[in-house]
Amino acid sequence: KNQVEQSPQSLIILEGKNCTLQCNYTVSPFSNLRWYKQDTGRGPVSLTIMTFSENTKSNGRYTATLDADTKQSSLHITASQLSDSASYICVVINPNFGNEKLTFGTGTRLTIIP
Amino acid sequence: GAVVSQHPSWVICKSGTSVKIECRSLDFQATTMFWYRQFPKQSLMLMATSNEGSKATYEQGVEKDKFLINHASLTLSTLTVTSAHPEDSSFYICSADIGGRVRTPYNEQFFGPGTRLTVL
Repeated sequence: KNQVEQSPQSLIILEGKNCTLQCNYTVSPFSNLRWYKQDTGRGPVSLTIMTFSENTKSNGRYTATLDADTKQSSLHITASQLSDSASYICVVINPNFGNEKLTFGTGTRLTIIP
Repeated sequence: GAVVSQHPSWVICKSGTSVKIECRSLDFQATTMFWYRQFPKQSLMLMATSNEGSKATYEQGVEKDKFLINHASLTLSTLTVTSAHPEDSSFYICSADIGGRVRTPYNEQFFGPGTRLTVL
């Protein structure tokens, strides 16, 4: 069982609408959680990085939240644009004695339609 | 800043040949680089961790003799897929750790754009 579960697997929304992607994790211990955007055929690009003490972090139209008690995170996208069509990956970092181990979620495939 | 490049971006080869993929950190020195493999509609899977000047550490199930990794300098790591077979066809992504002796949660990895390998 993957230690980082994302939902939904895929999502289609109209341009201009908002959406929220979910990430539940069981990775422990936990150092920080990151959201990445991966365009088709490209490498992931970091959107947000949050430590366990941070509850929310924004990057433009992207706002990530974190509840370390319930081990849940969400990524909210406001006023979606066609260029937001991509896979969004939640990654949880285990400190592992200085050699960080990244555990990747399965991703949410977001499609924005005009 | 923090740009990682990969070359080539895509490659098609015949079964049985070897293919080399380069990963470069363009504007920073990376003590540690990582190689991932991603199959369609799946997550990135870590193959190996590459430290400059030492042998790579491979994840369980990854054949070190098939996937040769060399990290000759602080800005270059190479992955060679030897005797490639169709099942090796995948998207290979490297990342580089901006590093530092003091680890913070913000010492993040920066990913390259990936290399699409197709073995015929």
